[in-house]
Amino acid sequence: GENVEQHPSTLSVQEGDSAVIKCTYSDSASNYFPWYKQELGKRPQLIIDIRSNVGEKKDQRIAVTLNKTAKHFSLHITETQPEDSAVYFCAAENYGQNFVFGPGTRLSVLP
Amino acid sequence: NAGVTQTPKFQVLKTGQSMTLQCAQDMNHEYMSWYRQDPGMGLRLIHYSVGAGITDQGEVPNGYNVSRSTTEDFPLRLLSAAPSQTSVYFCASSRRSTRGSSYNSPLHFGNGTRLTVT
Repeated sequence: GENVEQHPSTLSVQEGDSAVIKCTYSDSASNYFPWYKQELGKRPQLIIDIRSNVGEKKDQRIAVTLNKTAKHFSLHITETQPEDSAVYFCAAENYGQNFVFGPGTRLSVLP
Repeated sequence: NAGVTQTPKFQVLKTGQSMTLQCAQDMNHEYMSWYRQDPGMGLRLIHYSVGAGITDQGEVPNGYNVSRSTTEDFPLRLLSAAPSQTSVYFCASSRRSTRGSSYNSPLHFGNGTRLTVT
């Protein structure tokens, strides 16, 4: 079955700097990769997603890149702000199967 | 739209007690699922359903039962609670075809139920 690894497990950046979180997946048939943000005590919420026929997607300060050959995808947050502090989860979905989540990255944006 | 609604928000059980966690969605999603979230272990799939009358096991199904009698509801039953089931439980739904094929649609999560078993 699918296995998703996520690095780093914790990340601290200064406000205004960029943050990058990387995930790798094992099943080459996986074709959809969402990213979720979870604030303390809250539910995971989708922040961006990418499908396998696309290499990069941007939404304001957030971008996701996908390398199908290497089976990895990354979340990029630019101009980080304190409200970006949260736990971020990546996930992979194989068409018709279930989502498999990475273990999460705790991002701290220091003022 | 309320989205995905979970009840209760908090619950304390004694070892051996049973209870049902409720989940309802009003988005007409075919796919519904239950996850548990433990510190440092991410989200682990307990059970899922691709439509009314269809359920299947996920990664950690032991000690839990589910049923899907309607498209809207997907309750999770703890048969005999154990301290190892202390966790935060999330229900999530997404669009799927009636055969379970993906639309590459994201999961929508409920607000979670924090369960403590003493």
